[in-house]
Amino acid sequence: AQKVTQAQTEISVVEKEDVTLDCVYETRDTTYYLFWYKQPPSGELVFLIRRNSFDEQNEISGRYSWNFQKSTSSFNFTITASQVVDSAVYFCALSETTGNQFYFGTGTSLTVIP
Amino acid sequence: NAGVTQTPKFQVLKTGQSMTLQCAQDMNHNSMYWYRQDPGMGLRLIYYSASEGTTDKGEVPNGYNVSRLNKREFSLRLESAAPSQTSVYFCASSVVPGGSNQPQHFGDGTRLSIL
Repeated sequence: AQKVTQAQTEISVVEKEDVTLDCVYETRDTTYYLFWYKQPPSGELVFLIRRNSFDEQNEISGRYSWNFQKSTSSFNFTITASQVVDSAVYFCALSETTGNQFYFGTGTSLTVIP
Repeated sequence: NAGVTQTPKFQVLKTGQSMTLQCAQDMNHNSMYWYRQDPGMGLRLIYYSASEGTTDKGEVPNGYNVSRLNKREFSLRLESAAPSQTSVYFCASSVVPGGSNQPQHFGDGTRLSIL
């Protein structure tokens, strides 16, 4: 079973629109860690944010915000007033305390149309 | 600050040829990983090394071998390349293995085509 599900394969928005990227995870661990990465067209993977399972406080960084809801096993990512430079593939990842691996979702490809 | 360095960046092989992808990190990280990225499949773990001297299989290890040469270097070898191994390969490192809030840091990837 997929531990991290990103159901949105591709999303297109017009510049300045808000967009939310969904991430649903599955784990039996009580302590775990969640991450978001960005992969721009140039191909590199850039770490954006981490969240510990025991810290449910939402976080805002400029136009980016993350909504962690343990009750629904979701860690969603919202971009406010999207820009063309936000066009990328975004990956959500899970790290469990019981293992040595990171589990990645299949990614959401975001296209921001000018 | 080089971070994670992968070589080569591009490679074309013929079916049956062998090659080794090199990865080195200069962040004094303990753990290193090899992933492949295919369209619609996300990142799939091939092998990882939680610490120097150890290696373990990931989700898709068949057709690959790895060597953790030292703390800095982790190589991936294709003994007899097959067209199904055409992919983009990423090396990553982290301070400790999964199970912490320390993220992975990725190299720029190697685009490998098998004809």
